Amino acid sequence: AQSVTQLDSHVSVSEGTPVLLRCNYSSSYSPSLFWYVQHPNKGLQLLLKYTSAATLVKGINGFEAEFKKSETSFHLTKPSAHMSDAAEYFCVVSDPTSGTYKYIFGTGTRLKVLA
Amino acid sequence: NAGVTQTPKFQVLKTGQSMTLQCAQDMNHEYMSWYRQDPGMGLRLIHYSVGAGITDQGEVPNGYNVSRSTTEDFPLRLLSAAPSQTSVYFCASSFQGALGSPLHFGNGTRLTVT
Repeated sequence: AQSVTQLDSHVSVSEGTPVLLRCNYSSSYSPSLFWYVQHPNKGLQLLLKYTSAATLVKGINGFEAEFKKSETSFHLTKPSAHMSDAAEYFCVVSDPTSGTYKYIFGTGTRLKVLA
Repeated sequence: NAGVTQTPKFQVLKTGQSMTLQCAQDMNHEYMSWYRQDPGMGLRLIHYSVGAGITDQGEVPNGYNVSRSTTEDFPLRLLSAAPSQTSVYFCASSFQGALGSPLHFGNGTRLTVT
């Protein structure tokens, strides 16, 4: 069965410092992994996705994530936080080869950016 | 290109009332799904569909019905609303079968049941 664990429910960083949002996954097959961002009272926007190509994935707004199979992790990073990055972030796993076509969401990490 | 369209944006119901949340997509996606979002619980899957005429239950299906008569539409019905169904509801779609096909989300429906 697939599962996703976001290791921090809240993360606070100062503007201009690096961001690290942690995600571990469990999947019996070859997963696809995604990060989504949700700004307050908004819908969910895709940041980036991993689909068994390059293990380092670059997304929008300067975010990137590295797929580490040995650690079953897909952590999201950004070198320098901006005030506009304050939002909730969701890690998602999917495995269409398993036949279930379900997308499993983590419980989210709320990022706070301090001026 | 409208993407995924959800209506209404806001709704207030009394306990016991029924209603339908509408979802339509214009991307010819085979996969459509409904999630509810509650504080601290992320998004939980209610029902999903992999094509017209095919639906299946997700993690929290009780109290909700769905049908998929066309590729474009995937309405969610609340049969008898309860306060526990107060939540934000998201419809999402994707291209089934493509490895790494991401979900495309609607803007959500905020439902309050009193």
